[in-house]
Amino acid sequence: NAGVTQTPKFRVLKTGQSMTLLCAQDMNHEYMYWYRQDPGMGLRLIHYSVGEGTTAKGEVPDGYNVSRLKNQNFLLGLESAAPSQTSVYFCASTGGRQNTEAFFGQGTRLTVV
Amino acid sequence: AQSVSQHNHHVILSEAASLELGCNYSYGGTVNLFWYVQYPGQHLQLLLKYFSGDPLVKGIKGFEAEFIKSKFSFNLRKPSVQWSDTAEYFCAVKNKAAGNKLTFGGGTRVLVKP
Repeated sequence: NAGVTQTPKFRVLKTGQSMTLLCAQDMNHEYMYWYRQDPGMGLRLIHYSVGEGTTAKGEVPDGYNVSRLKNQNFLLGLESAAPSQTSVYFCASTGGRQNTEAFFGQGTRLTVV
Repeated sequence: AQSVSQHNHHVILSEAASLELGCNYSYGGTVNLFWYVQYPGQHLQLLLKYFSGDPLVKGIKGFEAEFIKSKFSFNLRKPSVQWSDTAEYFCAVKNKAAGNKLTFGGGTRVLVKP
């Protein structure tokens, strides 16, 4: 079982460059999430999706865009990267009902110089 | 908005000591509660979860947590820690009223000295 797969695992960007992080899950989960993890700040929700074709803002959405064109994929885009976006990004998925747990990807370590 | 508080940011213990990490959440209705662990350099893994029923939940690696509804708390405990329990621990909450979004606390970094 692949579970939740994130690509890439590491990336270094220059300020102003763009990139897309890909998250794929094979559990037919309705909900998918993108979090960023920064020292001392826990996991903060960037955007999430409650199903194919839907997206919603989380706590820290500015500077990011997302798309959920297929149920199994959730893309996180940075149009113009800034050093403040240096972080570890985690994707997660869960069933949409109550009483379901979330599964996490391995993380993407992004450095913006 | 739903919020989750973990009061201890850093905890340092010796092996065989007991561990208790606090977690409080803001929502008063029906909730799902979770503790996740992140070992150095790894992704988050589920330690235990509470959906309903017995408020004392047992998880993997000897961890347990107690849901106290009146206190909006879900504290994590382990009677005797090992060096391998060095990790960051996250409490998380999900509830229907908040659209079943998964909200995390700020995490507690635990260092167990051998």
